[in-house]
Amino acid sequence: RKEVEQDPGPFNVPEGATVAFNCTYSNSASQSFFWYRQDCRKEPKLLMSVYSSGNEDGRFTAQLNRASQYISLLIRDSKLSDSATYLCVLNTGGFKTIFGAGTRLFVKA
Amino acid sequence: GAVVSQHPSRVICKSGTSVKIECRSLDFQATTMFWYRQFPKKSLMLMATSNEGSKATYEQGVEKDKFLINHASLTLSTLTVTSAHPEDSSFYICSAPGLADYNEQFFGPGTRLTVL
Repeated sequence: RKEVEQDPGPFNVPEGATVAFNCTYSNSASQSFFWYRQDCRKEPKLLMSVYSSGNEDGRFTAQLNRASQYISLLIRDSKLSDSATYLCVLNTGGFKTIFGAGTRLFVKA
Repeated sequence: GAVVSQHPSRVICKSGTSVKIECRSLDFQATTMFWYRQFPKKSLMLMATSNEGSKATYEQGVEKDKFLINHASLTLSTLTVTSAHPEDSSFYICSAPGLADYNEQFFGPGTRLTVL
């Protein structure tokens, strides 16, 4: 089983739609969780950290469920500019950072 | 946020040549930097951890004699792909951990290597 698994998509949604991604992880010792965004042929950029209590940043909401070992990202009111690949990232302690393969999102006009 | 630069952004070379990629932290010092490679539609794979003033730590399966890493200063790490082959063609990205939150990483813009 992969350490981090994501649905590769692509998710094709119209502008204004709400879309959710899930990511499961296998290492229960994972300590920190993040969602990164990666545009085509660009470097990943931090979108938001993920906490057990859940956190929200504008149209983006992230949740962590340690019992079921998954994290989620919800995007409300999708914009064209949200089109990108969203990477689920976790840190198992020290410098050990694991990246998911990403979920591709296309927002259409 | 912190800024990390990479140079070159794109390189095309012939098989058998060596290619050096530079990773610089522009507005902060980084005693540790990370080197990743990414194949199309695949996740980033950590290749090695670059440590200023000491040897790099390589991940399992990464040939240290092929991917030479030098972290000679607090703002510069270099990755040299020696005797490059077409299968080394990939997107190479470096990163440095954040100062306030060590778990956050700041990525360079990446170097796209094509070996003919």
